[in-house]
Amino acid sequence: DTGVSQDPRHKITKRGQNVTFRCDPISEHNRLYWYRQTLGQGPEFLTYFQNEAQLEKSRLLSDRFSAERPKGSFSTLEIQRTEQGDSAMYLCAREEGLAGANTQYFGPGTRLTVL
Amino acid sequence: GESVGLHLPTLSVQEGDNSIINCAYSNSASDYFIWYKQESGKGPQFIIDIRSNMDKRQGQRVTVLLNKTVKHLSLQIAATQPGDSAVYFCAEISGGSNYKLTFGKGTLLTVNP
Repeated sequence: DTGVSQDPRHKITKRGQNVTFRCDPISEHNRLYWYRQTLGQGPEFLTYFQNEAQLEKSRLLSDRFSAERPKGSFSTLEIQRTEQGDSAMYLCAREEGLAGANTQYFGPGTRLTVL
Repeated sequence: GESVGLHLPTLSVQEGDNSIINCAYSNSASDYFIWYKQESGKGPQFIIDIRSNMDKRQGQRVTVLLNKTVKHLSLQIAATQPGDSAVYFCAEISGGSNYKLTFGKGTLLTVNP
């Protein structure tokens, strides 16, 4: 158990629809990351939070994507007007400790398929 | 055109043999490295990590070696078991204000019984 749960595990949607994913880490007040992974590739960074503050967003995160982390606990990632190119595994990771680099523990991911 | 991303490096070993998975990293400023194991349909699972002030670290059946001179990282798995079959990724963190992981390409390890 990595201490990260994600919901849903799978999502199939039609192009143009909006989808929202949720990530629940076991502990609060730490760094939380979102990554995207396409078939045959390693995960790619999307964005991260330190407590409730979103501190950086990747170029991969177009304006159709938005992420929140109210109260520094769970986080949501919303994709508006989904496109087929958004099909991927969306991974959330928690990191304990605020100083320096620490191990990131991943959740099981949400597999998105856009038809 | 060829879809390079779908052609993962592969390593096939016999059960009980030792496995060595290699990774080259590009950022000489990287100071923290992690190996992850990913089984089909699951998120990456932490195996072992190493900081740049070390050149070797051992865990249970796994050893990570770091050669900063040639920017090379390796994962050694002793007495490989069928349950070790998965894709293995190395990841690096370069510090600064964002501790995001940058992942390597991944190696598919297949253990034959």
